[in-house]
Amino acid sequence: DGGITQSPKYLFRKEGQNVTLSCEQNLNHDAMYWYRQDPGQGLRLIYYSQIVNDFQKGDIAEGYSVSREKKESFPLTVTSAQKNPTAFYLCASSIGQETQYFGPGTRLLVL
Amino acid sequence: AQSVSQHNHHVILSEAASLELGCNYSYGGTVNLFWYVQYPGQHLQLLLKYFSGDPLVKGIKGFEAEFIKSKFSFNLRKPSVQWSDTAEYFCAVGGTGGYNKLIFGAGTRLAVHP
Repeated sequence: DGGITQSPKYLFRKEGQNVTLSCEQNLNHDAMYWYRQDPGQGLRLIYYSQIVNDFQKGDIAEGYSVSREKKESFPLTVTSAQKNPTAFYLCASSIGQETQYFGPGTRLLVL
Repeated sequence: AQSVSQHNHHVILSEAASLELGCNYSYGGTVNLFWYVQYPGQHLQLLLKYFSGDPLVKGIKGFEAEFIKSKFSFNLRKPSVQWSDTAEYFCAVGGTGGYNKLIFGAGTRLAVHP
């Protein structure tokens, strides 16, 4: 089955801790994205990557970091600098500007 | 500034009622337009999209949307909703040249009562 997988489904972060969210796709898509979803605010773009070894900041990149060492993988690290990390995180991929396909999401909670 | 406005945050309908969800955007240049749906506990998935051509586009599950360029609108419609249409609906807009990120609206939560 082709698709996007995200893990874990739920993630708990302690104060001052960095956590990494996984996103893997087997759709052979060049572009990958990370969004944050908060109630009543829709989806906001954190980072995106058009090709391997290249990525750009989105609208709300502060407190987050990414890497794109492989075409299939685009992990997101939520650093201790992100003061309000509790949210639902969605990963997506696409071929250029075609339709973005989304993963099931990771819900991050702060202990 | 680029933005997408969805006028209704919560909509409650009875089965068989007609649905229209409003979406207006502010974006310089030509646009690609999307409606995504998020059913309870499921992935965000594409409902329909407009890239060019006929401004009336049809999507899955009987949904359609009309692009009215002069009004910067892309409203979603369904003539008769079902309980299974209960979900959150997101309008999104993106540019057509080079890479342009998608701008999402805040979403509309639709509840359909049997």
